[in-house]
Amino acid sequence: KAGVTQTPRYLIKTRGQQVTLSCSPISGHRSVSWYQQTPGQGLQFLFEYFSETQRNKGNFPGRFSGRQFSNSRSEMNVSTLELGDSALYLCASSLAGTGYNEQFFGPGTRLTVL
Amino acid sequence: DQQVKQNSPSLSVQEGRISILNCDYTNSMFDYFLWYKKYPAEGPTFLISISSIKDKNEDGRFTVFLNKSAKHLSLHIVPSQPGDSAVYFCAANSGGSNYKLTFGKGTLLTVNP
Repeated sequence: KAGVTQTPRYLIKTRGQQVTLSCSPISGHRSVSWYQQTPGQGLQFLFEYFSETQRNKGNFPGRFSGRQFSNSRSEMNVSTLELGDSALYLCASSLAGTGYNEQFFGPGTRLTVL
Repeated sequence: DQQVKQNSPSLSVQEGRISILNCDYTNSMFDYFLWYKKYPAEGPTFLISISSIKDKNEDGRFTVFLNKSAKHLSLHIVPSQPGDSAVYFCAANSGGSNYKLTFGKGTLLTVNP
């Protein structure tokens, strides 16, 4: 079974631009979560989607948004990029049901904002 | 407010010995705990989990212990192997319909041959 895939793997953008990251979950997984990893803050939860609906949201500004499609694939968008948005963005998928399921992570997208 | 804490940034052990990684949490609503391993430039890899109704869970060389009264969990790796060298993250959530994982800052484990 293929794992979680994320595209692109690396991105370089400049301040003020916007960016869209993509995630394809493990086949059969209907929940997709996004996390931001930075050296200072560690891994922080952005949001979680299930059946095209956002169910959980972390403490990030509205510049961070996401969506999920009917095939469970998900995208996240960051508008008006700031230098502090430079991070590794990780997507994780999980079987639906409850939170008592492990989340499986993709390799991440490394975003650099110049 | 760091709800999941891994107080040791690094740990070094000899191959074949036991590695013990520790994690403390403050949120009494957490009832599901997971350990992940992460290599550079890769996403975290799930290792083992435990729910709050248990105090121990084993999977091969990996055992997780949960002490709810102390709000403490630990991951034991026996025997440790050089390939285990990675950053280990402890994570927790309150289960149910809450998919938000709260992570510790990680512990870098180095297993020396």
